Amino acid sequence: DTGVSQDPRHKITKRGQNVTFRCDPISEHNRLYWYRQTLGQGPEFLTYFQNEAQLEKSRLLSDRFSAERPKGSFSTLEIQRTEQGDSAMYLCASSPPPGQGPQPQHFGDGTRLSIL
Amino acid sequence: SQQGEEDPQALSIQEGENATMNCSYKTSINNLQWYRQNSGRGLVHLILIRSNEREKHSGRLRVTLDTSKKSSSLLITASRAADTASYFCAKAGNTGKLIFGQGTTLQVKP
Repeated sequence: DTGVSQDPRHKITKRGQNVTFRCDPISEHNRLYWYRQTLGQGPEFLTYFQNEAQLEKSRLLSDRFSAERPKGSFSTLEIQRTEQGDSAMYLCASSPPPGQGPQPQHFGDGTRLSIL
Repeated sequence: SQQGEEDPQALSIQEGENATMNCSYKTSINNLQWYRQNSGRGLVHLILIRSNEREKHSGRLRVTLDTSKKSSSLLITASRAADTASYFCAKAGNTGKLIFGQGTTLQVKP
């Protein structure tokens, strides 16, 4: 399967702990996006990379959140000092460059984070 | 905060019936996209419609876009039990980031 891969699928941790998620995009896709989705809501944009450059961050991304894409391939999203409100599904998506027009995004199955 | 509103929030129909979901948005768009999400899974792209297009088809799916009313609709014809899922519209800007609505939960009863 050459789709977007996210690891782990589920993470349960205690409040105050740090967590890190990984996303492996489709190999030829240079754009990578992180979203957060809470129950019953649509995904909310967190941040976006084009190759290794982080080009946009949402105001939702507090200073406890950091994302990297060091070699323009996989990406990590770290949450420090987790809080109850961080419980959500974290989704990663990738897309190719626009080329001749806008491109759809391809989503992974997400990492579900539960804070105890 | 979410950019658009979707209507209805929930829809229950019998297999074989058509399902129509509506989406409104507030500001200008580059394109609008529709996605499906099965419970506990990621989103699957269905159709992308550009701001200068009015209608697109893909199999049993038809999407319309009315930029004067800032609204779009997704029609699923001859629905199947396997169409049971949540459906989201998403406004796309020039960077490609998506702003999603709250979604419509569709249940198709066999």
